[in-house]
Amino acid sequence: DAGVIQSPRHEVTEMGQEVTLRCKPISGHNSLFWYRQTMMRGLELLIYFNNNVPIDDSGMPEDRFSAKMPNASFSTLKIQPSEPRDSAVYFCAILRGALYNEQFFGPGTRLTVL
Amino acid sequence: AQSVTQLGSHVSVSEGALVLLRCNYSSSVPPYLFWYVQYPNQGLQLLLKYTTGATLVKGINGFEAEFKKSETSFHLTKPSAHMSDAAEYFCAVRATGANSKLTFGKGITLSVRP
Repeated sequence: DAGVIQSPRHEVTEMGQEVTLRCKPISGHNSLFWYRQTMMRGLELLIYFNNNVPIDDSGMPEDRFSAKMPNASFSTLKIQPSEPRDSAVYFCAILRGALYNEQFFGPGTRLTVL
Repeated sequence: AQSVTQLGSHVSVSEGALVLLRCNYSSSVPPYLFWYVQYPNQGLQLLLKYTTGATLVKGINGFEAEFKKSETSFHLTKPSAHMSDAAEYFCAVRATGANSKLTFGKGITLSVRP
């Protein structure tokens, strides 16, 4: 089953704190995407990996954001230091389907930065 | 480069009425096209996709969409709306080929009146 586990599901933190969001595809996948969703900006692609290598990180807002994919079964998105404008829902997605042309989304992490 | 236009942000229909959500795309190469649905506080779920072959594609929950190359459109329809169809709907485009990221439209909220 090509499911995706994201943790935590909800995170409330204070401005200036480090936040780490985690994504774990249930079966290992070499392609992985991080998205951010807000009311103002909608759904934005932050970064995507293929074969565990970042292919396009042009959507990463600034240096406070970093992402890693050490293996096909795990990825992290880190924000340091966090700011209130980072409050959003962060989704992780993987490719699946016969031609790997379908993105399958995790349930998301709702981040609130006070 | 690809882009997606979803005109309007909100559509309201009566239960049992036709649902029509419009999507126009721009792509310099033959595209893959997708419709995703997002229910409140959930991740995005694939409704249907067009890759190659038949231009009328059927998805889950009675939805279908037709790829019209001449009109660069991929409108989503359902003959009879149900209350459970109330959600946000996203159209997305991706270029064929490996490592191609999805480009999403801004989304449109569907409300269903009793």
